[in-house]
Amino acid sequence: AQSVTQLGSHVSVSEGALVLLRCNYSSSVPPYLFWYVQYPNQGLQLLLKYTSAATLVKGINGFEAEFKKSETSFHLTKPSAHMSDAAEYFCAVSRDTDKLIFGTGTRLQVFP
Amino acid sequence: NAGVMQNPRHLVRRRGQEARLRCSPMKGHSHVYWYRQLPEEGLKFMVYLQKENIIDESGMPKERFSAEFPKEGPSILRIQQVVRGDSAAYFCASSPPPGVRYNEQFFGPGTRLTVL
Repeated sequence: AQSVTQLGSHVSVSEGALVLLRCNYSSSVPPYLFWYVQYPNQGLQLLLKYTSAATLVKGINGFEAEFKKSETSFHLTKPSAHMSDAAEYFCAVSRDTDKLIFGTGTRLQVFP
Repeated sequence: NAGVMQNPRHLVRRRGQEARLRCSPMKGHSHVYWYRQLPEEGLKFMVYLQKENIIDESGMPKERFSAEFPKEGPSILRIQQVVRGDSAAYFCASSPPPGVRYNEQFFGPGTRLTVL
């Protein structure tokens, strides 16, 4: 069975500070991993995905994530937060064309 | 290329009524997924369909909920005799056929269902 755990339901950072959103996965087979962002009252937008190619994945809006098999982690980072990054972020795991299993989400607040 | 379209965007129903949610996938996409997001929670998988075929409905409640993806037209998620607990945002996602891209699902804007 696959599952995802997002540590920290709320994360607050100052504008310009490092953003680190944590995601750990559990999967009996090599997973595909995703980060999605959701702005208020909107759908989900794919930030980046890991599909067994490079372990460091670069996404949109300056975000990146590193797949660490030994730690079963796929943490999302951004060197410098911007006010527009304030949103809800979801980590998800799947296998091929299977359903996405989502974490419970992390709400990112960015203070000026 | 238009994205995934869902309508209505907002739907209000009284308890006991029926709710019909529609999803038109992106052009060229033959797979549709439905997810439900309860207030302050993450998305939960409900059902996965290809045209005229349900692939995985393991996340669907056993009663009152049904889904279809006919040969022509949008996918429909149908909730009969709605209750207050059905109030949620329902998201549809579509993906290309297997082998084209790895399970990249494109999400629609969602339908927010409110049951009075």
